[in-house]
Amino acid sequence: DTGVSQDPRHKITKRGQNVTFRCDPISEHNRLYWYRQTLGQGPEFLTYFQNEAQLEKSRLLSDRFSAERPKGSFSTLEIQRTEQGDSAMYLCASSRTGLGLEQYFGPGTRLTVT
Amino acid sequence: QKEVEQNSGPLSVPEGAIASLNCTYSDRGSQSFFWYRQYSGKSPELIMFIYSNGDKEDGRFTAQLNKASQYVSLLIRDSQPSDSATYLCAAHSGGGADGLTFGKGTHLIIQP
Repeated sequence: DTGVSQDPRHKITKRGQNVTFRCDPISEHNRLYWYRQTLGQGPEFLTYFQNEAQLEKSRLLSDRFSAERPKGSFSTLEIQRTEQGDSAMYLCASSRTGLGLEQYFGPGTRLTVT
Repeated sequence: QKEVEQNSGPLSVPEGAIASLNCTYSDRGSQSFFWYRQYSGKSPELIMFIYSNGDKEDGRFTAQLNKASQYVSLLIRDSQPSDSATYLCAAHSGGGADGLTFGKGTHLIIQP
């Protein structure tokens, strides 16, 4: 049973560029979550999917952020026109279907915007 | 505003002693609670979850939940240097929202 995987693990980009991250959940998990974590803070919820449906979006998810899970398997998170404030660890987690069940995190993608 | 509060520490505990980590939450509707361990530069690793009032034990770890007091704790027995990490408390609220609300974490140091 492989865990959650994320790609790339590190991304350095210049301000104004677009970036895209990928997450592959645990195979039998229907729910997939995106979080963002900055230094000294806990992860902050961004959005989640059940299968291919995006069911919830945090107010933190500005118009520059978009997430997809087109076939209910892997998901992508795109940030357009990156800003220095977007620098953070972007974490993906997955869980089985059902409210309040355990979420397992991937290794994260560390984004640095210069 | 849903909030989860933790003392940021550092909490220093001698090797072999019991480490006690505490967390309070503001949303009385929260139904389930999770403890994650996070090493520096790594992602959070789930170590315990608890849904019902009382204690839940798993190896050296015991989670305690008191919904009336809106309080969650994690006890680590026989603390080892490898337990040195940041411990994140997270709460899940019902009502259709499924994202977890995390505290800022407690930095635990186990002194050899």
